[in-house]
Amino acid sequence: AQRVTQPEKLLSVFKGAPVELKCNYSYSGSPELFWYVQYSRQRLQLLLRHISRESIKGFTADLNKGETSFHLKKPFAQEEDSAMYYCALKYAGNMLTFGGGTRLMVKP
Amino acid sequence: GAVVSQHPSRVICKSGTSVKIECRSLDFQATTMFWYRQFPKKSLMLMATSNEGSKATYEQGVEKDKFLINHASLTLSTLTVTSAQPEDSSFYICSAKGGTSSYEQYFGPGTRLTVT
Repeated sequence: AQRVTQPEKLLSVFKGAPVELKCNYSYSGSPELFWYVQYSRQRLQLLLRHISRESIKGFTADLNKGETSFHLKKPFAQEEDSAMYYCALKYAGNMLTFGGGTRLMVKP
Repeated sequence: GAVVSQHPSRVICKSGTSVKIECRSLDFQATTMFWYRQFPKKSLMLMATSNEGSKATYEQGVEKDKFLINHASLTLSTLTVTSAQPEDSSFYICSAKGGTSSYEQYFGPGTRLTVT
């Protein structure tokens, strides 16, 4: 069965510090991974997907099949990055399974 | 574009009653809609997937007779929690897939259900 693990429930950094939110997955098929973000009092929204290999709001994530990881990184955290971040794996064509989420707090 | 709404945003009901939650795609046709449940400080749990005009596909462990899902049109899906109990209290979120994106799910704002 597919599974997504985010080992850190809370990550607290100072503004300007680098950030890495960890995500590991297990899946027997070809993985398609996403990062979703939920800002305070807002709905969940897509941040980025591994296939597009894009940088959104300064965040990047690289799929490492050898380590079955899809860590989210940003070189210089901003206060407005404070939010809940969810790693998700797409399976069975349509469905998403989510990790437990990591709350990122960026302190001034 | 690609906005999903849910109604109501918050509902309180008594044990034994049924509650209906609506999920609408406002500016696109949603070929597939998903219903999730989010427990406090935990991730989203996929409950079921529904395609317009066909029966919903429920995830293992989700009672289909308790959580009735109807996807009558390309813009509306409903989740009815029947004979609600306090343990059904949760945050229910829907998402919709369709429009020009083949992969992205657009999420609704969620519905907070409290059963007393």
